[in-house]
Amino acid sequence: AQSVTQPDIHITVSEGASLELRCNYSYGATPYLFWYVQSPGQGLQLLLKYFSGDTLVQGIKGFEAEFKRSQSSFNLRKPSVHWSDAAEYFCAATSGGSYIPTFGRGTSLIVHP
Amino acid sequence: GAGVSQSPRYKVAKRGQDVALRCDPISGHVSLFWYQQALGQGPEFLTYFQNEAQLDKSGLPSDRFFAERPEGSVSTLKIQRTQQEDSAVYLCASSPTGQPINTEAFFGQGTRLTVV
Repeated sequence: AQSVTQPDIHITVSEGASLELRCNYSYGATPYLFWYVQSPGQGLQLLLKYFSGDTLVQGIKGFEAEFKRSQSSFNLRKPSVHWSDAAEYFCAATSGGSYIPTFGRGTSLIVHP
Repeated sequence: GAGVSQSPRYKVAKRGQDVALRCDPISGHVSLFWYQQALGQGPEFLTYFQNEAQLDKSGLPSDRFFAERPEGSVSTLKIQRTQQEDSAVYLCASSPTGQPINTEAFFGQGTRLTVV
């Protein structure tokens, strides 16, 4: 079955530190991959997406993600975290021919001052 | 409006009560999705509309759930005879094209439904 796994439920980092949020997928073919952020009381906002081509994808708010086919991963990174980055982050995937993304359970990012 | 608007933001329903959740997508958007997000979980797909046509309702958990988009804009998700397991945040998203896989979906803030 197709699935998206975010192994970390919570991640705590200090402001200014680097960040990596993990995402693994299980699909028969290379899926389309997305990262969304959800701030408290807000809807999901798309940070970045990967369809094909360059495996390092740049997104908004200084985020980037790297697609690694050999590891079935699409980890989200940011070199220096700001307090305003505290939120819930969701990885999602959809395979060719399907317009319905499957979401991971999310990773809650806590930022210490 | 500038974004996807959902109402009400919060709804408390007694078990067995019927509820209706409204979604106003971004004007002109062709695709509309409904998702259910249980506490501590990611969004789960419920149903998809392309204009007024409901192309996929495979995610609706039971026949108590019904969605419509009669004029291809505003959509309503109706839940009949609510049960406690229906408690969740219901998210609506819209996308400008009929091929939403290639374009960004814009999400509303959601309606938090609590069934007591």
